[in-house]
Amino acid sequence: DQQVKQNSPSLSVQEGRISILNCDYTNSMFDYFLWYKKYPAEGPTFLISISSIKDKNEDGRFTVFLNKSAKHLSLHIVPSQPGDSAVYFCAASIVNRDDKIIFGKGTRLHILP
Amino acid sequence: NAGVTQTPKFQVLKTGQSMTLQCAQDMNHNSMYWYRQDPGMGLRLIYYSASEGTTDKGEVPNGYNVSRLNKREFSLRLESAAPSQTSVYFCAASVQGSPYEQYFGPGTRLTVT
Repeated sequence: DQQVKQNSPSLSVQEGRISILNCDYTNSMFDYFLWYKKYPAEGPTFLISISSIKDKNEDGRFTVFLNKSAKHLSLHIVPSQPGDSAVYFCAASIVNRDDKIIFGKGTRLHILP
Repeated sequence: NAGVTQTPKFQVLKTGQSMTLQCAQDMNHNSMYWYRQDPGMGLRLIYYSASEGTTDKGEVPNGYNVSRLNKREFSLRLESAAPSQTSVYFCAASVQGSPYEQYFGPGTRLTVT
């Protein structure tokens, strides 16, 4: 059973507009959430994270929002740029349980010129 | 400082053949991981090692063995390759106790015919 769900396999956004990628989780024990970005033929790279004690974390053009009651998080990219075209993975973990991260299936973001 | 390196980059095997995928990291991290990525399936954990001398199964360990040779190296072995093991394999490393930000290698693309 999938514990981290990214229900949109792909998303297309005009350059300069806001990209919103969504993620849902089922395990209420998760208390740390991450987003990874992956380009073709490369390994994933860490993008941004958020602890469950916060509801928002911002890093430049990237902001992650966490809604614990809905078990939902989202990644906002503003403004979207061509280099943002990639696959984005949502991931979740339980702090101090073990060293494992559970990944979603990913959303492919296309930034249109 | 190469981060996480993987060899080989590409490999084609016949069903029943064996091979070892190599991974090395120069970041002095304790925890290391092997994932596979299949279309529409995201990243699935095969095995991980929280520290030198310890290994644990992940979500999809069947058909694989691992060796944590030393702190730097974590290898993944396919004893008798099957077409279902056709995938892209990623190795990752992280600081023990802070597993959230994992550093990934560039991947090994394996095809089993």
